[in-house]
Amino acid sequence: QKEVEQNSGPLSVPEGAIASLNCTYSDRGSQSFFWYRQYSGKSPELIMSIYSNGDKEDGRFTAQLNKASQYVSLLIRDSQPSDSATYLCAVRRQGGKLIFGQGTELSVKP
Amino acid sequence: DVKVTQSSRYLVKRTGEKVFLECVQDMDHENMFWYRQDPGLGLRLIYFSYDVKMKEKGDIPEGYSVSREKKERFSLILESASTNQTSMYLCASSLQNEKLFFGSGTQLSVL
Repeated sequence: QKEVEQNSGPLSVPEGAIASLNCTYSDRGSQSFFWYRQYSGKSPELIMSIYSNGDKEDGRFTAQLNKASQYVSLLIRDSQPSDSATYLCAVRRQGGKLIFGQGTELSVKP
Repeated sequence: DVKVTQSSRYLVKRTGEKVFLECVQDMDHENMFWYRQDPGLGLRLIYFSYDVKMKEKGDIPEGYSVSREKKERFSLILESASTNQTSMYLCASSLQNEKLFFGSGTQLSVL
């Protein structure tokens, strides 16, 4: 079992729809959770961080964390073609290691 | 503005060569990381460092070593480059438990 797992996709949604990206992790001691966006040929950039159970909203983005289920998700409302990218889930374990999932490719169709 | 600088954007080396990838950050961050990124495999942690002269193995340290003599600089060393080390290498830094700032990456080709 991979330490951080994501569906590789591609996930295709129409413009204006909600895109839902999911991530599970195996280490119950994990402390911090991040979502990064990576455009082709570019470095990852942070979209959201979340540290406690529940929802965290920032503009069109909502991160959700459920530590009991070891599950973190990212919702993108009113998806735009410019949101088309690979989304990486990252989990920081105790001791500082930051482990990434393999990424989910999102395609938003006009 | 925050900056993580990797010395080369593209690098071509021969098998058996010793390769140095350099990374410098100007944010006084304690933590620095080296990842490699391959299609379908995501980012895999090679090594990280939480302080000067301190290092921890990541998930795939074999064939690599690192050096952190100064807080701002973290070097990745391929002792004897092999073709399976052809990859995109990404350096990153962070404060304790905070988000990572990435460099622009080094695409290494080993022929």
